[in-house]
Amino acid sequence: AQSVTQLGSHVSVSEGALVLLRCNYSSSVPPYLFWYVQYPNQGLQLLLKYTSAATLVKGINGFEAEFKKSETSFHLTKPSAHMSDAAEYFCVPLGPGRRALTFGSGTRLQVQP
Amino acid sequence: DVKVTQSSRYLVKRTGEKVFLECVQDMDHENMFWYRQDPGLGLRLIYFSYDVKMKEKGDIPEGYSVSREKKERFSLILESASTNQTSMYLCASSSGTVYSEKLFFGSGTQLSVL
Repeated sequence: AQSVTQLGSHVSVSEGALVLLRCNYSSSVPPYLFWYVQYPNQGLQLLLKYTSAATLVKGINGFEAEFKKSETSFHLTKPSAHMSDAAEYFCVPLGPGRRALTFGSGTRLQVQP
Repeated sequence: DVKVTQSSRYLVKRTGEKVFLECVQDMDHENMFWYRQDPGLGLRLIYFSYDVKMKEKGDIPEGYSVSREKKERFSLILESASTNQTSMYLCASSSGTVYSEKLFFGSGTQLSVL
């Protein structure tokens, strides 16, 4: 079954530091991959998505992710963290034969002043 | 902007009650979804629908049913609520084939079953 592993249920960074949220997928067939974000007391929203058109994907709010087949990874990065980036982030696969997204437990990002 | 509206933000029900959670979207989306979100478990897909009167089971459909009589409305039904159904329920919608997958989420309904 298609699945992803997000390393670290909680990640803490200082304001202005690099944000790196790790996601590895497990499949011999690269899936579609999405990053969703859930800000406190808000609904989830799409941050960016990989659908094989380009390996480096830029999303909203300065985030980007690079699909690396050799490493089966799709890590989310942002050069400089803002306090407003504090949220829960979900790496979500859509593998062959699936008709809907299945979310995992996510990574909670804390940004320290 | 797409708006996905869930009828209640907080709901308290008793064990054995029949519970209806309503979701309405205003962008003519074909696809609608129900998830539940629990700490440490993330979001889990309960049911989804890609057309009026069509429905498909998600990963945890047991204890739930759904209804989609109109394109804009997708209802989740707990036939006989149990305490293990206490959770945050999230509705979402999307357009086109399900593979496009830009989901628009509602704000959620926090259901407590006592």
